[in-house]
Amino acid sequence: DVKVTQSSRYLVKRTGEKVFLECVQDMDHENMFWYRQDPGLGLRLIYFSYDVKMKEKGDIPEGYSVSREKKERFSLILESASTNQTSMYLCASGGGRHTEAFFGQGTRLTVV
Amino acid sequence: GIQVEQSPPDLILQEGANSTLRCNFSDSVNNLQWFHQNPWGQLINLFYIPSGTKQNGRLSATTVATERYSLLYISSSQTTDSGVYFCAGYSGGGADGLTFGKGTHLIIQP
Repeated sequence: DVKVTQSSRYLVKRTGEKVFLECVQDMDHENMFWYRQDPGLGLRLIYFSYDVKMKEKGDIPEGYSVSREKKERFSLILESASTNQTSMYLCASGGGRHTEAFFGQGTRLTVV
Repeated sequence: GIQVEQSPPDLILQEGANSTLRCNFSDSVNNLQWFHQNPWGQLINLFYIPSGTKQNGRLSATTVATERYSLLYISSSQTTDSGVYFCAGYSGGGADGLTFGKGTHLIIQP
């Protein structure tokens, strides 16, 4: 059974903190993605990676960075968390041209 | 990038009813998926269907790639079918992710 695991389901952080969201996949996929989901705005792509140490900006990269040191792990970093980054964060593995994408369980982040 | 439109945005049905959800794309896609978002927020894969028809129990999906739309059929609805259904497509040449529609919020009443 395919598996994409996000490190936390719920997270509460303070404004200005550095926040790490981790995502691990066991499908040997090259592509991995981070989305955020907000009411009325749907799912929006933050960053993606198509190989180890490779990363590309998505539609809303401001305020975020990513790290892909190993193929199975893709981390999203909030350099200095702000209240407007309170959201649901979803990691995906696979996807792209002819590959099915699978999602993790999501991390609901609240920045106070 | 492509635009994805889903309809209807909201749908309320009685248990046992059938429903059809539609997804239109602004451009051709070579990867199309349907998801169900459960109450805890996880996106559950329903179908990977760039073209043709697939069935899985009470659910089936059809994609007509040449006309840029896909349909999700739910028959004999159950309350556990409630939730948000998303379609998502990919049309790019690189690994730049799926583009999602805004979703259809389905409520099945007992």
